[in-house]
Amino acid sequence: DIQMTQSPSSLSASVGDRVTITCRASQDVSNYLAWFQQKPGKAPKSLIYAASTLQSGVPSKFSGSGSGTEFTLTISSLQPEDFATYYCQQYRRYPPLFGGGTRVEI
Amino acid sequence: EVQMLESGGGLVQPGGSLRLSCAASGFTFSGYAMSWVRQAPGKGLEWVSGISNSGVNTYYTDSVRGRFTISRDNSKNTLYLQMNSLRAEDTAIYFCAKDINTDFWSGYYGVLDYWGQGALVTVSS
Repeated sequence: DIQMTQSPSSLSASVGDRVTITCRASQDVSNYLAWFQQKPGKAPKSLIYAASTLQSGVPSKFSGSGSGTEFTLTISSLQPEDFATYYCQQYRRYPPLFGGGTRVEI
Repeated sequence: EVQMLESGGGLVQPGGSLRLSCAASGFTFSGYAMSWVRQAPGKGLEWVSGISNSGVNTYYTDSVRGRFTISRDNSKNTLYLQMNSLRAEDTAIYFCAKDINTDFWSGYYGVLDYWGQGALVTVSS
């Protein structure tokens, strides 16, 4: 199976910070990469698919980039509601695997 | 508003069975593929199974193939996951999720845009 590795596994940041999370795939997945946000006790929320396309209703402070094996999720100005765990997922190869998650903390 | 509500979770002994349901509303259920994704306590997300919009095509991760069966009733806007021969490692919150397309195909295995709130399955004696 393909492996998805996120870094860092956790980070501390402040309100207003620019935050970047990296996701690496062990094989080329083209741009078949999605990002999700999950808050404690809640369901995941879809943020981005096709590496850089925002899901409907997702604010433009979130952006994604990358192709092939390396991808990034950037939050331009961190707000209190953005403190959560973020997951990447490739959907190019079977099975569609998630990364281990990045916890964004204050 | 798209909504999905899972039910049927609970405590079951190892080797037992359980059926999860996911009642969907706010979209044309028969027009989209659906998936089940699980999350063990304190762990990350794991895709479990998917089904095409018609129900004809089904997909499973290796660890559940032969034990779990995904199905859907488009007349009831409901997705199901029948889980047999349950193991302790199946303990997790199970989420149903809607896809943006009708099916998987070679080189495409699902973009999940809406998720239910989850149902907890605990396998323990």
